[in-house]
Amino acid sequence: DIQMTQSPSTLSASVGDRVTITCRASQSISTWLAWYQQKPGKAPELLIHRASTLESGVPSRFSGSGSGTEFTLTISSLQPDDFATYYCQQYNSYWTFGQGTKVEVK
Amino acid sequence: EVQLVESGGNWVQPGRSLTLSCAASGFTFDDYAMHWVRQPPGKGLEWVSGISWNSGSIGYADSVKGRFTISRDNAKNSLYLQMNSLTDDDTALYHCARVPSPEGTNGYWYFDLWGRGTQVTVSS
Repeated sequence: DIQMTQSPSTLSASVGDRVTITCRASQSISTWLAWYQQKPGKAPELLIHRASTLESGVPSRFSGSGSGTEFTLTISSLQPDDFATYYCQQYNSYWTFGQGTKVEVK
Repeated sequence: EVQLVESGGNWVQPGRSLTLSCAASGFTFDDYAMHWVRQPPGKGLEWVSGISWNSGSIGYADSVKGRFTISRDNAKNSLYLQMNSLTDDDTALYHCARVPSPEGTNGYWYFDLWGRGTQVTVSS
């Protein structure tokens, strides 16, 4: 099975900050990687797929990069609506998720 | 409105069975493969099972293989998960999710639409 490791587990930030979350795969997954945002009591929402393709309707302050085993999600200027938990997911072979990164108010 | 709504979650004793349902609306259900993903309390997401548009291809996580059965009824725009021999480790919020492809039961597709989930608690 492919393991996904996210860091950090928790990130404290302020509105306007640039935020970066890292995801590492236990083996190469090319660019078969997605990022999701989840708020308490809500369904996860797709942000990015194929490592860097922004899903329709997602604000352009979100971006993704990487290939192989190292990936990043960047929020260029954190907005109040962005405080949430973020998950990476590999879909190269079935599906596995990172453990999540909670972005909280500093 | 395009949405997925899960139901059927409950508290059950270990060893018992439970069936979850997911009602789809706002899109052509049989154009898409569908999946179940669960989230144990305070933990991350775990893929459980997936089914192709015509039920011709089905996959399960090792942790539920032989105990859970996924199915769908395209006439009713519904997805199901029959869960047998439940254990404490099956306690989780169960989400249904869509992949933007009719196939997609062993990878190469992401989940583009999710439901809020239905809670399953297994405890004596």
